[in-house]
Amino acid sequence: GQSLEQPSEVTAVEGAIVQINCTYQTSGFYGLSWYQQHDGGAPTFLSYNALDGLEETGRFSSFLSRSDSYGYLLLQELQMKDSASYFCAPWGYSTLTFGKGTMLLVSP
Amino acid sequence: NAGVTQTPKFRVLKTGQSMTLLCAQDMNHEYMYWYRQDPGMGLRLIHYSVGEGTTAKGEVPDGYNVSRLKKQNFLLGLESAAPSQTSVYFCASSPGAATEYFGPGTRLLVL
Repeated sequence: GQSLEQPSEVTAVEGAIVQINCTYQTSGFYGLSWYQQHDGGAPTFLSYNALDGLEETGRFSSFLSRSDSYGYLLLQELQMKDSASYFCAPWGYSTLTFGKGTMLLVSP
Repeated sequence: NAGVTQTPKFRVLKTGQSMTLLCAQDMNHEYMYWYRQDPGMGLRLIHYSVGEGTTAKGEVPDGYNVSRLKKQNFLLGLESAAPSQTSVYFCASSPGAATEYFGPGTRLLVL
């Protein structure tokens, strides 16, 4: 079967670093995507890891370990606008599988 | 470029009524998707298409039908709406990779 686990909520303060973990079990796995969704808005693509290791895009980095079926999203220099839901989404067989996501609350 | 657009933005239906949601993309993407999002449930795939004239079932296809007659359009139909179909519906398109571009969503309320 397929399963996807992320923490439901994470809190942090402005300027801090936060890591959102994701463990997955899915068939036909090609890579792991991360999406951001602000309240009331549409999901937007953040990053994709096809290979093991770290991918860096500005303040955001994403990591994948295929052998551990594990990945994480690292957000640095947190800003208030980073308060949103974050979804990890394994990619396979032409589709993404979204979990329930992690709500990140950034406080002043 | 408008990206991905959805029509309508908001709709109220009575139980048993039918409606069609329209998704259009101007990025020449092959793949298109329909999701529903309920509070606390994340995004669940309803149906998807990997090219013009093709459709496939996703995780929650019951009660919905789709058509992809033109590459740029993907229609989602509800033949007989039920209160359980009250949700926010998102359409997305993709060039065939893990990057999906989402529309703004359609908020549907079924009474």
